[in-house]
Amino acid sequence: NAGVMQNPRHLVRRRGQEARLRCSPMKGHSHVYWYRQLPEEGLKFMVYLQKENIIDESGMPKERFSAEFPKEGPSILRIQQVVRGDSAAYFCASSPELAGGRETQYFGPGTRLLVL
Amino acid sequence: GDSVTQMEGPVTLSEEAFLTINCTYTATGYPSLFWYVQYPGEGLQLLLKATKADDKGSNKGFEATYRKETTSFHLEKGSVQVSDSAVYFCALSPDSGGYQKVTFGIGTKLQVIP
Repeated sequence: NAGVMQNPRHLVRRRGQEARLRCSPMKGHSHVYWYRQLPEEGLKFMVYLQKENIIDESGMPKERFSAEFPKEGPSILRIQQVVRGDSAAYFCASSPELAGGRETQYFGPGTRLLVL
Repeated sequence: GDSVTQMEGPVTLSEEAFLTINCTYTATGYPSLFWYVQYPGEGLQLLLKATKADDKGSNKGFEATYRKETTSFHLEKGSVQVSDSAVYFCALSPDSGGYQKVTFGIGTKLQVIP
């Protein structure tokens, strides 16, 4: 059973360009979470999605950031008009359908975004 | 809101030394508690977890006990190896019965020298 897949692993963008990060959850998992890790900091929750629905985006900046998890295909985190402050590692995690809650999240290897 | 506080690193130990990384939390009710490990250039791996008071999570020689009275979940290992060098994150998910919005500590970097 393959783990959570993320691509690309490394992404370099110039200021003003768009960054598109992909996450394929573990097989059988229908819940996806995105986290951001700034240099020398812990992970911060950004958004939680189920198939075709955004459940909680309270940790995501209101502008330039968007996320989706379509019925078919991977979850996408999109950052428009990137700035240097967006440079970070972006991690995706997935979990199975909740049965009373408390299902463990499994993390992907992350995408390291560098904005020049 | 929920928060996790863990000791700042880096922590440098000699091989076979005893390890303790302190972690305390603030949350309502009975959150689930986790330790994740991140090796260089990789994502987070779940190391161990505990879901109720006095539970002890253990894995690969690491242990942590859920202490409700002191709101703590300290990570311990009796004899560290060079291969344990990594960043260790303490984390919690709320006692909401719903989805998990995991809150992480800042991470503690451990370096084990031969």
